Amino acid sequence: ETGVTQSPTHLIKTRGQQVTLRCSSQSGHNTVSWYQQALGQGPQFIFQYYREEENGRGNFPPRFSGLQFPNYSSELNVNALELDDSALYLCASRSRDQETQYFGPGTRLLVL
Amino acid sequence: TQLLEQSPQFLSIQEGENLTVYCNSSSVFSSLQWYRQEPGEGPVLLVTVVTGGEVKKLKRLTFQFGDARKDSSLHITAAQPGDTGLYLCAGAFGSGTYKYIFGTGTRLKVLA
Repeated sequence: ETGVTQSPTHLIKTRGQQVTLRCSSQSGHNTVSWYQQALGQGPQFIFQYYREEENGRGNFPPRFSGLQFPNYSSELNVNALELDDSALYLCASRSRDQETQYFGPGTRLLVL
Repeated sequence: TQLLEQSPQFLSIQEGENLTVYCNSSSVFSSLQWYRQEPGEGPVLLVTVVTGGEVKKLKRLTFQFGDARKDSSLHITAAQPGDTGLYLCAGAFGSGTYKYIFGTGTRLKVLA
């Protein structure tokens, strides 16, 4: 148990729809990162939030957006879903001054 | 662009055998983490190595960080079926606002 929770656990959407995924950080962690993990691959960094502001972004288009709230929980929003967006979406939290991050169980998204 | 290459990609061995997984990059990392991931779940942290040349042991698992902090290895002694899973390395770079890149993973299967 890492103390990081994600919801929902599974989700099925159709192409063109929008989706919101949620993450609750481990207590005391003020930094959250989101990753996309396609089947058989390692996680790919989407973006990172610190104190409600995005402070790092990977190679993902603007239709991937996020929010971090004052309690450090976070959302990942994906607009105009595409078939290739089908993946396991992971969030990870940490304290800003620590390098070790802890992952939630992930949300598996299937886009039909 | 930072890149982490993991090898081998797949490994199937008999119970009791030893194995080594490698994680290599041309980039210098401030730290490197090893995770194990079960299907449909988030990665679970095994260890973080920070200092060049550092060796850490976790029961039958031995982790080493290269002297130049560009590479790492994971050695498992007397593998057991419970060691089966996807092993991921992740390198941290930056300062304060750390970013992470993941290797592609090594899928290990230990046969009884």
